[in-house]
Amino acid sequence: SAVISQKPSRDICQRGTSLTIQCQVDSQVTMMFWYRQQPGQSLTLIATANQGSEATYESGFVIDKFPISRPNLTFSTLTVSNMSPEDSSIYLCSVDVRQGELFFGEGSRLTVL
Amino acid sequence: AQSVTQLGSHVSVSEGALVLLRCNYSSSVPPYLFWYVQYPNQGLQLLLKYTSAATLVKGINGFEAEFKKSETSFHLTKPSAHMSDAAEYFCAVSDGSGGYNKLIFGAGTRLAVHP
Repeated sequence: SAVISQKPSRDICQRGTSLTIQCQVDSQVTMMFWYRQQPGQSLTLIATANQGSEATYESGFVIDKFPISRPNLTFSTLTVSNMSPEDSSIYLCSVDVRQGELFFGEGSRLTVL
Repeated sequence: AQSVTQLGSHVSVSEGALVLLRCNYSSSVPPYLFWYVQYPNQGLQLLLKYTSAATLVKGINGFEAEFKKSETSFHLTKPSAHMSDAAEYFCAVSDGSGGYNKLIFGAGTRLAVHP
């Protein structure tokens, strides 16, 4: 198993600003994943973050909008840049424990005004 | 391309009744299939997974799911609902093409349990 801590748990931000979400894991993991869960919807994978290399983004997500850092095997950050109300979502960090068994953080609930 | 369809965005059952949450998948190769549960204001928790071993998979909290290749289904069941089962349930699929940890999630089914 894995224990994942995310910060902040929630935030209210102004349009045009940026917010960085932190994800800390209690064990070393190769791959970390960032998901977005828009209100009332399912999870969509934003990107996969490997330590020591650039993140791999899914279709519809770009590095300029969602820059990701992965400085070591237990930590990652996701920045939501130049925010608009459409970015209001829950952002979830997850790690793969074993063959697709993902453990998730509790999420960061972002509201953009 | 792989995909997941969950039939019924909302399901309501009485406490003690059978829970049946439906999931159909599309995958060109034998998939891995998962059910996750999300309680209010929490992250997702793995209930169970299918990885080409036994077709009937037992998970936590009394839930189980059966993989039926002929029907491309992976429905989640529990014989007797408990109030604490009220949550959102997500079915997910991975066919390994992007790595078995790259999951595609269904839209979710919100389960309500009433007395």
